[in-house]
Amino acid sequence: AQSVTQLGSHVSVSEGALVLLRCNYSSSVPPYLFWYVQYPNQGLQLLLKYTTGATLVKGINGFEAEFKKSETSFHLTKPSAHMSDAAEYFCAVSNSGGYQKVTFGTGTKLQVIP
Amino acid sequence: DSGVTQTPKHLITATGQRVTLRCSPRSGDLSVYWYQQSLDQGLQFLIHYYNGEERAKGNILERFSAQQFPDLHSELNLSSLELGDSALYFCASSPSPGTGNTGELFFGEGSRLTVL
Repeated sequence: AQSVTQLGSHVSVSEGALVLLRCNYSSSVPPYLFWYVQYPNQGLQLLLKYTTGATLVKGINGFEAEFKKSETSFHLTKPSAHMSDAAEYFCAVSNSGGYQKVTFGTGTKLQVIP
Repeated sequence: DSGVTQTPKHLITATGQRVTLRCSPRSGDLSVYWYQQSLDQGLQFLIHYYNGEERAKGNILERFSAQQFPDLHSELNLSSLELGDSALYFCASSPSPGTGNTGELFFGEGSRLTVL
């Protein structure tokens, strides 16, 4: 079984401040981990993913996430928030074999305050 | 552009009616997933098809059904519609297992259903 917990359904940051969106996962097999972003009235698009190898993963728009197995975490960060980062962010976990089952977290809405 | 096409983009209908949402996956993708997104329930997995066969079911109501056709497009049928069925319905596709698929999903832009 696998699950994802995103802490904080709403996060507000000031423009230029650090963005930190938290994600913890549970998986009985080595996981693949993802962050997706959803802008208003759009579908979800992939920000970044961890499969194997380097635990610090860089994605689009200056975002990065670090896979910490000991903490079962995959938090998303960005050093300096931009107004265009306002969106909803979803963490997801996939099993690492066969027909992938993808489980999404409940999402975190990021508000960027000018 | 993800390569996944969904139609219609918007649909307004009345309670008790039936609608069909259509999805064309990315070229070469055999898997199609359907998700429902509403304000109160978030993103809910409905069903997964792979090459025409149902692979997994999530929180899909009995009033809802889906199928995937030989040309790999998929349709989600929603019947006896209720006010609470108003939501965004997303389709996503993914590459086949064994092709380096890591579970990454490619989402369409969704079909917004409003039930009045």
